[in-house]
Amino acid sequence: ETGVTQTPRHLVMGMTNKKSLKCEQHLGHNAMYWYKQSAKKPLELMFVYSLEERVENNSVPSRFSPECPNSSHLFLHLHTLQPEDSALYLCASSQDLGQGNTIYFGEGSWLTVV
Amino acid sequence: TQLLEQSPQFLSIQEGENLTVYCNSSSVFSSLQWYRQEPGEGPVLLVTVVTGGEVKKLKRLTFQFGDARKDSSLHITAAQTGDTGLYLCAGVFWAGNMLTFGGGTRLMVKP
Repeated sequence: ETGVTQTPRHLVMGMTNKKSLKCEQHLGHNAMYWYKQSAKKPLELMFVYSLEERVENNSVPSRFSPECPNSSHLFLHLHTLQPEDSALYLCASSQDLGQGNTIYFGEGSWLTVV
Repeated sequence: TQLLEQSPQFLSIQEGENLTVYCNSSSVFSSLQWYRQEPGEGPVLLVTVVTGGEVKKLKRLTFQFGDARKDSSLHITAAQTGDTGLYLCAGVFWAGNMLTFGGGTRLMVKP
């Protein structure tokens, strides 16, 4: 049983839809992450939050909007996505940022944009 | 751009065979991790290596960190069907604090 829970596990959305991915961690960690995993590229770090403040944003298009209301929850709001955004979106957490901190991943949300 | 290259990208072997997969970079890592990802799940950490030349063993898996801290290998002895999955290396580059992932090696172990 994972300490990081993601919902929904599967999502199909049209390019004009607005949807959100949800992540909850039960590990008491201070840092949370969103990664994108697609077939053609390595795991890409999208956003990093530490103590509910965004500390990293790797040039992600504005159609992806993260929200971290508290240290246990992380959302990824999606709007006007493109078919190339179809991928597995992984949430992760770690005790703190930086080296020596093990990252724990959720099972991912499979997103298909049609 | 600091990159990690993993090889091979795909590997299909018979149960009982040995295999080695590699993770290379032109930059120095301060630490390196190996993950395994099974279908429908997120990556799970297998090991972290920190010291150049370090060797760690996890049952039939042997992980080695290069002396120069630019490369790493994962050797599996007598592979089993349960070893099937995507093996990812991820490194923290010197003076950095974020993990960078390689493209992965997709391993299929056939009975």
